[in-house]
Amino acid sequence: KAGVTQTPRYLIKTRGQQVTLSCSPISGHRSVSWYQQTPGQGLQFLFEYFSETQRNKGNFPGRFSGRQFSNSRSEMNVSTLELGDSALYLCASSLGGEPSYEQYFGPGTRLTVT
Amino acid sequence: QKEVEQNSGPLSVPEGAIASLNCTYSDRGSQSFFWYRQYSGKSPELIMSIYSNGDKEDGRFTAQLNKASQYVSLLIRDSQPSDSATYLCAVSDPGAGSYQLTFGKGTKLSVIP
Repeated sequence: KAGVTQTPRYLIKTRGQQVTLSCSPISGHRSVSWYQQTPGQGLQFLFEYFSETQRNKGNFPGRFSGRQFSNSRSEMNVSTLELGDSALYLCASSLGGEPSYEQYFGPGTRLTVT
Repeated sequence: QKEVEQNSGPLSVPEGAIASLNCTYSDRGSQSFFWYRQYSGKSPELIMSIYSNGDKEDGRFTAQLNKASQYVSLLIRDSQPSDSATYLCAVSDPGAGSYQLTFGKGTKLSVIP
């Protein structure tokens, strides 16, 4: 079974620009969660989508948004980029409910904002 | 504010020894507990999940959960240099409709040959 894929793997953007990241979950998984990982803050939850609906949202500004498509693929968008948005962005795929709550991570997108 | 605490390490153990990693969490309602391994420059890899009090074994790994003490641990037996990585503890409370994982900052493990 193919794992979680994320594109692109690396991005360099300038302050004020916007960026869109993509995630394809494991086949059969209906939930996609997004996390931001930085050396200072560790792994922090951004939001979770299940069956095209945002089910949970973390404590991030409105510049961070996402969506999920009918095939469970998900995108996240960051508008008006700031230097502090430089991070590894990870998506995680899961069934989204019983019998398992396990989440499997993709390789991540490394975003650098200059 | 849900919190997950881990000793940051580094934790150094000799090859063949048992490595013991600990984690405490603040939300008493947490129901699902996970251990991830993250190699430098890579994404987290799920190695164990545990939902009930007690021990769960998988190969060289044993996860232990004590909900009354709000404590989760991971034991790695016969530690190998390839186990050198950062180990992340994560918890969630799906029963409350919250499927998000709250992570600790991780414990860096070094296995010395």
